[in-house]
Amino acid sequence: GQQLNQNPQSMFIQEGEDVSMNCTSSSIFNTWLWYKQDPGEGPVLLIALYKAGELTSNGRLTAQFGITRKDSFLNISASIPSDVGIYFCAGDSNNAGNMLTFGGGTRLMVKP
Amino acid sequence: KAGVTQTPRYLIKTRGQQVTLSCSPISGHRSVSWYQQTPGQGLQFLFEYFSETQRNKGNFPGRFSGRQFSNSRSEMNVSTLELGDSALYLCASRLRTSGGEFFGPGTRLTVL
Repeated sequence: GQQLNQNPQSMFIQEGEDVSMNCTSSSIFNTWLWYKQDPGEGPVLLIALYKAGELTSNGRLTAQFGITRKDSFLNISASIPSDVGIYFCAGDSNNAGNMLTFGGGTRLMVKP
Repeated sequence: KAGVTQTPRYLIKTRGQQVTLSCSPISGHRSVSWYQQTPGQGLQFLFEYFSETQRNKGNFPGRFSGRQFSNSRSEMNVSTLELGDSALYLCASRLRTSGGEFFGPGTRLTVL
């Protein structure tokens, strides 16, 4: 089962508002990733974080790699209707090979 | 550069049958991973292949298997299908050992 606790599970906000979501883990990860998934499609990589404390932006999206390496945050500023979708965090321990562990997702709904 | 492609996109099978899903990674990517996505369990790692060798395996029964060819294309096979195998099966590829994975659109498998 999943080892990442992602919150909130869903959000219904007004267009123009800022959004924050987070993931916490009992395990340490060396890489944190944030994905967005639209209905009927695979997840699309939004931001990748590689160092504890790292803060990275991609347009209106900003994500941070927690200092303890057990958490990460994603913020979306000035939300727009096309931000609607499910956002997933994923942790990668980068041991031999690859094995992503995913959070349960945050369903974002934006009211125009 | 073309993204990750998966075939077929949709599949309907009955219990007891077997199924083979195909994935073509992004050109130059040698690591291919498979994930199962269900409403109840979320995104769960199945296995990863690199240079035709299985490098990591998730907690799935032996009915789930895969392989990778010399051109990095990968297939996964599920034998003796069960109703609970109904899911979106996602393939992802990556270029380096670290860094984000890029997902295909998935194969929606329905077991009746």
